[in-house]
Amino acid sequence: DIVMTQSPDSLAVSLGERATINCKSSQSVLYNSNNKNYLAWYQQKPGQPPKLLIYWASTRESGVPDRFSGSGSGTDFTLTISSLQAEDVAVYYCQQYYSTPLTFGQGTRLEIK
Amino acid sequence: EVQLLESGGGLVQPGGCLRLSCAASGFTSSNYAMSWVRQAPGKGLEWVSAISGSGGSTYYADSVKGRFTMSRDNSKNTLYLQMNSLRAEDTAVYYCAKAGEDGILNWFDPWGQGTLVSVSS
Repeated sequence: DIVMTQSPDSLAVSLGERATINCKSSQSVLYNSNNKNYLAWYQQKPGQPPKLLIYWASTRESGVPDRFSGSGSGTDFTLTISSLQAEDVAVYYCQQYYSTPLTFGQGTRLEIK
Repeated sequence: EVQLLESGGGLVQPGGCLRLSCAASGFTSSNYAMSWVRQAPGKGLEWVSAISGSGGSTYYADSVKGRFTMSRDNSKNTLYLQMNSLRAEDTAVYYCAKAGEDGILNWFDPWGQGTLVSVSS
């Protein structure tokens, strides 16, 4: 199984500042035949289901604000929020879909400082 | 608009069974794999099972293999999760989720609102 490890577990950032969340996979999720990283990011607010933000490691889902960006390749990935807004308070998860079982990181709780 | 609506959750005793349903609308369900993902109270996300668009292939997490069975009826645009031999550790909100593109190896988008399963005596 591919183990996904996020860091940090929690993060407090001031409004308007940059937030960075890291995700590391126990093996590469880069599929060489198509040069795609099988990695997605989700945002979950209290009492709501997760919402897709990013797929293929860096493709922003339609309707997601452009302050959200994803980067990385192979085993190391990053979700960046360029200028934190109050509505970004949530738990963020990465997920690999390179192989079954499909696995998630443990989550990173993002708060306002 | 794609919508997923889960039902069937509730309180069940250890060793009991429950069947969850997920009604899908807004897309041709046979074109997409679907998954169940659960979230224990205050915990993270755990993928439970997936089924291909045709229903011919199913995949399970080791934690539920042999106890849970996933199926679909594309004529009714409905997904099912038959849960047998339930344990306390199966207590969670269960979400159904659509694959982002064709195939099992996919991201999830969108997710339903979830249905709560509580296993307790």
